[in-house]
Amino acid sequence: AQKVTQAQTEISVVEKEDVTLDCVYETRDTTYYLFWYKQPPSGELVFLIRRNSFDEQNEISGRYSWNFQKSTSSFNFTITASQVVDSAVYFCALSEGGNAGNMLTFGGGTRLMVKP
Amino acid sequence: DGGITQSPKYLFRKEGQNVTLSCEQNLNHDAMYWYRQDPGQGLRLIYYSQIVNDFQKGDIAEGYSVSREKKESFPLTVTSAQKNPTAFYLCASSISTGSSGNTIYFGEGSWLTVV
Repeated sequence: AQKVTQAQTEISVVEKEDVTLDCVYETRDTTYYLFWYKQPPSGELVFLIRRNSFDEQNEISGRYSWNFQKSTSSFNFTITASQVVDSAVYFCALSEGGNAGNMLTFGGGTRLMVKP
Repeated sequence: DGGITQSPKYLFRKEGQNVTLSCEQNLNHDAMYWYRQDPGQGLRLIYYSQIVNDFQKGDIAEGYSVSREKKESFPLTVTSAQKNPTAFYLCASSISTGSSGNTIYFGEGSWLTVV
C-alpha cells in the first residue's frame, strides 16, 4: 500500500528565511511519481512539480527547489528567501506506476506561515 | 479561459437532502476525479472516471454518486446517505492514456455545509 507522510503540520517563518518542507513516502512499486501542490487560502490546488522514480536529479525553479532521494524515500521541498505570498498549505502526493486512473495518495499537508 | 470550473463555491444542505456539485473542464482531458478534503487534512478520492460513461469508486465512495455523460462534465451528488458531508470538495482532471504519472489539475473547490 502506498503512503505519504508530511510530519510537519505547521511551520512559521519570518520573511526571507529559507524553509524546507519534508515528505516521506512508502511504495512497493519501482515505478512511481511524486508531486507537490500548493493550496492558497482560496482553496484551489496549484500544481508545482512532478517527478518520476527514475529521475533523481534535483530541480530548481526560481526560489523553489526539490530534493529527491530514493535511498531515504524522501522528496523534500525548499523555498529560498520566503515571501508572505508563499503562505499556504503544501501537499506532497504519490502515484504508483501500475495504478490505473492516476490516483494520487496525499500526505496530510504542511501549513506554511510566512510573517512579514 | 481554459481550466476546471466548479459550482457553486458555497452550498448549504439540509438534513436528508441530496445536493449536486457541478464540475466542467475545457482541457479536453479524458480523466476526471472528485476528492474530499476535511479541515486540516489531506485529500481523499471519492470517485474517478477514465472515459465517458464509465466511473470507478475511490476510497470513500459511500453516500456519493456520479455520472459521466459528457467528456467535459463530471457532477457529484452528495446523497442523504452520506452521514458527514460537511467538507471541501475538489474536482480534478488529467490527460489519461491508461498509465499513471499524468499531472492532475484541480478546480477551485466547493464548500458544502450541512445546516
